[in-house]
Amino acid sequence: DVKVTQSSRYLVKRTGEKVFLECVQDMDHENMFWYRQDPGLGLRLIYFSYDVKMKEKGDIPEGYSVSREKKERFSLILESASTNQTSMYLCASTIFAGGHNIQYFGAGTRLSVL
Amino acid sequence: AQKVTQAQTEISVVEKEDVTLDCVYETRDTTYYLFWYKQPPSGELVFLIRRNSFDEQNEISGRYSWNFQKSTSSFNFTITASQVVDSAVYFCALSESNQGGKLIFGQGTELSVKP
Repeated sequence: DVKVTQSSRYLVKRTGEKVFLECVQDMDHENMFWYRQDPGLGLRLIYFSYDVKMKEKGDIPEGYSVSREKKERFSLILESASTNQTSMYLCASTIFAGGHNIQYFGAGTRLSVL
Repeated sequence: AQKVTQAQTEISVVEKEDVTLDCVYETRDTTYYLFWYKQPPSGELVFLIRRNSFDEQNEISGRYSWNFQKSTSSFNFTITASQVVDSAVYFCALSESNQGGKLIFGQGTELSVKP
């Protein structure tokens, strides 16, 4: 079975802190994605990566950056956390680029910025 | 522009009732894929089904069935004889062939099945 693991289920941070959300997949997938989930808005794509050291902006990249130094790990970085970044963050991976490929998701990290 | 609309924010049914979750999509692409995911209280999205734009056959998997109609741009999901374990948030999503696998999600429908 595909396993996508997000390092924290719950995080509480202060405004202005630098926050790292970590995601690891164990299936040698090429592509990884970060989404945020908010009530009434569904999931929105923040960033994605097709390969190591490659990244592409999604629909809402402002205030975020990402890092992919190893194939299995994709990190989401909030350089200076703000209260409007309080949300559920979901990581996903898929074997390679292609509209038909199934994305596999982690359990999510619920981030609260105070 | 691509868009997915799930107009039903919340649905509440009693166990054993049938329930249909609606999904309407917009795309200019002729080749695209539609997905349904389930998000139980644990938080992880679980893949349920994928359809491509060239296959309009309905699909049934146990108590679950899906009705894909290109003429109305809809991909509706029906649960027959609902059970408490079906309580979850359900997401419909669209992926176009030339968008690198990016998924466009609907807003989600929260289904509550009461005993």
